[in-house]
Order: sequence, then C-alpha cells, then structure tokens
Amino acid sequence: GQQVMQIPQYQHVQEGEDFTTYCNSSTTLSNIQWYKQRPGGHPVFLIQLVKSGEVKKQKRLTFQFGEAKKNSSLHITATQTTDVGTYFCAGNSNSGYALNFGKGTSLLVTP
Amino acid sequence: ETGVTQTPRHLVMGMTNKKSLKCEQHLGHNAMYWYKQSAKKPLELMFVYNFKEQTENNSVPSRFSPECPNSSHLFLHLHTLQPEDSALYLCASSQVYAGTGLPGNTGELFFGEGSRLTVL
Repeated sequence: GQQVMQIPQYQHVQEGEDFTTYCNSSTTLSNIQWYKQRPGGHPVFLIQLVKSGEVKKQKRLTFQFGEAKKNSSLHITATQTTDVGTYFCAGNSNSGYALNFGKGTSLLVTP
Repeated sequence: ETGVTQTPRHLVMGMTNKKSLKCEQHLGHNAMYWYKQSAKKPLELMFVYNFKEQTENNSVPSRFSPECPNSSHLFLHLHTLQPEDSALYLCASSQVYAGTGLPGNTGELFFGEGSRLTVL
C-alpha cells in the first residue's frame, strides 16, 4: 500500500535559521496536504497542493509539490519560536481512498 | 474552537471495561474520521464515514466499533481493549470525503482536540 515517508524526524534550530522538511511517497499522489500540530494540540490544516510542480507560499512558509507528484517539501524561512510543533504531510494516491499521513517532523526552535 | 468536539478528553479504562468516545462536528461536513495517534507512529486512519456510510475500515480490530447515527455525530465504542491501544484518538471531519483526490476537492480535515485513552 501507499506509504508516506518524512525526514527528518526531528530538527532543532536557533531562532532565525531556516528549516525544511521533506515528504516522499512510494506511489504517485493525486494531492498532498500539510498539517501542523503544536505540543499537546491537534493537527491543523496548513495547505493542499494538487498540481505537478506547484509552489505555494504562506508568509514565511513555502510548500512545493514535485514534478512527479511523489514528493513534497515545506520550507520555513527565519524560524520563530511560534513555529515549534510537528509538521505532517498527508497524501492520497490516485487509486487509494485514504489520506495517509507521514510520521511528521518535530521542530524545536530555541531563542 | 475547531468546530469538532470530542468527549471525553481523557479516559482511563481497564481491559474488561466498555466505554465510548464521542465526536460531534458543527461544520455541516459530510465526512467524519477516526484516527489513532501513538508515540513514534504516524496518524493511523481507522474508519471513515461519508454521508453516514462507512467507506473505510483500515483493518481495525473488532474491539473498536464505530457508529455514525448522522453526519454530525460519530462514536467509537471500546471493549476488551489491550494496553497497546493506549493512544490519542482523534476525530476529524471534512466537507467532502478526502480520499477521492479530485482536483479542486480540498479534502481539508478539521480535527478535534482528541481523546487521550489509557488502558490499564
């Protein structure tokens, strides 16, 4: 079945440094979503990418969907302490019916 | 306030107990989901209901029994659980079923705050 892998599992940065998390799927995805979960909280939707090669920006966050629609990335520029949390990618394939989540990347930002 | 309310927030139960988790969504969505979140594991999809009909059962043991009486309410009935079932159980809803993957179908999931279950 479809598997969604995320790396790195953990990332610790100094405030102001950049951060990137990568998501790879074993199968072609029809779309990919990104979620953020703060410590002790629940996942909150950030964005969905649908088109091959799509790039979307939300302030300091840049999301990319690969040309082959099998990988995606989230890049945060100049991290802030409010960026702390776990970032999940989730995708569904053209043949599947479930939204499969990666294990997430936990980001820690120290001042 | 996410528009998805889960109760109870915390539950401790013995392996012989029967309990239920409840989820209610106030967003007018058509699809509802149960996910299990354990330490060091990805969010695991358990069940999906679309327009009150179960469309996904992700090989979940029968000791977990879902119920969806209408599009706004979802239950997870628990009985004879094992300690390894201890986890955060998250309910989610979406306007449409997120699994179709149709362009333009956002399938954004709105999660509740979760029910933290401990099985002794």
